[in-house]
Amino acid sequence: EVQLVESGGGLVKPGESLRLSCAASGFTFSIYSMNWVRQAPGKGLEWVSSISSTSTYIYYADSVKGRFAISRDNAKNSLYLQMNSLRAEDTAVYYCARDPGGSPAYFQHWGQGTLVTVSS
Amino acid sequence: EIVMTQSPATLSVSPGERATLSCRASQSVSNNLAWYQQKPGQAPRLLIYGASTRATGIPARFSGSGSGTEFTLTISSLQSEDFAVYYCQQYNNWPPRTFGQGTKVEIK
Repeated sequence: EVQLVESGGGLVKPGESLRLSCAASGFTFSIYSMNWVRQAPGKGLEWVSSISSTSTYIYYADSVKGRFAISRDNAKNSLYLQMNSLRAEDTAVYYCARDPGGSPAYFQHWGQGTLVTVSS
Repeated sequence: EIVMTQSPATLSVSPGERATLSCRASQSVSNNLAWYQQKPGQAPRLLIYGASTRATGIPARFSGSGSGTEFTLTISSLQSEDFAVYYCQQYNNWPPRTFGQGTKVEIK
């Protein structure tokens, strides 16, 4: 069974940093592209970032480009999101999501999410 | 960026009735469209990909159709567990992968 477990969320002040982690199990992590998707309180879903299986290809939403950095450690079956210069508008539940095999596409599996709150 | 627009924002349906949800893309996404279901406090769940292919374990009462810019998700006979928010998402032209704003299906 595919399992994705996020951690690292919490309350931080504007301008501070936070690192999210996603522990993957139940599949061969190293062959799948992975993603972060977020959802502000009471709002819809927003794609944040994607990383290919070997970290060759990395993409970001314009809203986080230059502030967030996605990475992965295939030896540890883990995905990360380093979030710097956090803003109030970054407050959201952050989900780790796995692509299907083959070309990056839809989000086939999701974690339960971790809440990030940015407030002074 | 491809903008996805869902309608209606809220759909009130009685259990056992059919629900029809719409999703429109600002430009063609071919059939590279997915639908997700999200219940309160839960992560989204993939329902449909490729515009019309049900994901593993999804009941046959869920069906997707359309291509290009116009898509429909139909729930043939609403069960109590189907009351939720539904999102469409395109993956034809990215980044960014974009979602619609969601349609809430509520009990009438």
